[in-house]
Amino acid sequence: DAKTTQPPSMDCAEGRAANLPCNHSTISGNEYVYWYRQIHSQGPQYIIHGLKNNETNEMASLIITEDRKSSTLILPHATLRDTAVYYCIVPDYNNNDMRFGAGTRLTVKP
Amino acid sequence: SAVISQKPSRDICQRGTSLTIQCQVDSQVTMMFWYRQQPGQSLTLIATANQGSEATYESGFVIDKFPISRPNLTFSTLTVSNLSPEDSSIYLCSVGKGTYNEQFFGPGTRLTVL
Repeated sequence: DAKTTQPPSMDCAEGRAANLPCNHSTISGNEYVYWYRQIHSQGPQYIIHGLKNNETNEMASLIITEDRKSSTLILPHATLRDTAVYYCIVPDYNNNDMRFGAGTRLTVKP
Repeated sequence: SAVISQKPSRDICQRGTSLTIQCQVDSQVTMMFWYRQQPGQSLTLIATANQGSEATYESGFVIDKFPISRPNLTFSTLTVSNLSPEDSSIYLCSVGKGTYNEQFFGPGTRLTVL
């Protein structure tokens, strides 16, 4: 069972920042937050992960609250190709298998 | 990262038959996973297939229906047996790789059962 909750859908204007929230209030101290996305008809794509510090890579930034109960994935300049379902996942520390919830369907509009 | 290929990419099968899906990775990995994605749904983990041990199945999935082989560190197969229309789904394999075992997914196999 997914340990995260996400809004089912969001819209974003092309060129603007997309901020995707995720709640993980039951996260334990040594569990990471992972983000994946699935563009239509493709396999999921790893985006980023973090433990407690904010993280940034070439795809996105991840902001984790100080209490670690929630996080936000930021796509700084969304493009039409960022339209996808975004999944926030907190795997069990011991087995690390990724259990997908419903995710957030992000639609980037021109 | 890892490059993962799956065969076939899609297939149409008759009820009562079986389909074996192959997953090939371009590097050696210990952890491999098989998922099912039913139409319009999210991904559901079927089983974890680590080389050198029996596959571990999630609740609701059994070995007789979804036998898995893991003969080496770069390859795995998933068979979907005794097919019914309810088995129509996309089946995906993934591998755990990287410093924090982030997962990388294959492109999926789209199965339609008539």
